[in-house]
Amino acid sequence: DAEITQSPRHKITETGRQVTLACHQTWNHNNMFWYRQDLGHGLRLIHYSYGVQDTNKGEVSDGYSVSRSNTEDLPLTLESAASSQTSVYFCASSEDLRAGRVEQFFGPGTRLTVL
Amino acid sequence: DQQVKQNSPSLSVQEGRISILNCDYTNSMFDYFLWYKKYPAEGPTFLISISSIKDKNEDGRFTVFLNKSAKHLSLHIVPSQPGDSAVYFCAGSNTGTASKLTFGTGTRLQVTL
Repeated sequence: DAEITQSPRHKITETGRQVTLACHQTWNHNNMFWYRQDLGHGLRLIHYSYGVQDTNKGEVSDGYSVSRSNTEDLPLTLESAASSQTSVYFCASSEDLRAGRVEQFFGPGTRLTVL
Repeated sequence: DQQVKQNSPSLSVQEGRISILNCDYTNSMFDYFLWYKKYPAEGPTFLISISSIKDKNEDGRFTVFLNKSAKHLSLHIVPSQPGDSAVYFCAGSNTGTASKLTFGTGTRLQVTL
């Protein structure tokens, strides 16, 4: 069955360190997204990609970067982790709108703690 | 600017009764609305969507109603079951800017026995 996976599921790091969160999908979706979930804010979009070599900034992109070298993966990098980036991170993917569906499929999440 | 608002952080309903979760939006460019359900330590899962050209969409126990003039939508769950206890997020999509979703802050539903 097609799926979307994230690793690691839990990560503790220190302020100032670089951290990379992995996202891998086997849906063969062109669209991929990174969100963070915080109490009182719901899910906020960090970065997104509509295909290989395409990346775009979302609502809360400062301090984060992504790269898209193939269809399956969209790693999220925190260049210099800050305590404000302690959160739960979700990756999602979706079909092209031409397929007539707008829903996104989410991974299980990565809980990141920055000390 | 919160484009999608879920003003009730929590809701408690008895098993078998109707659960009504509400959502308001300010962005008139949204042309699809979606509801997601989220259990602890899991990712959100898609429940149901509605196009802005419709006022109702039904899927089993779940019905979404859209009132465009009021910029309001609601999710009805009938009958409510204990397994429905979760956090529910509503989201808006402007397909003119591709498939980005804008989420509300969520409502925690607890279905009691």
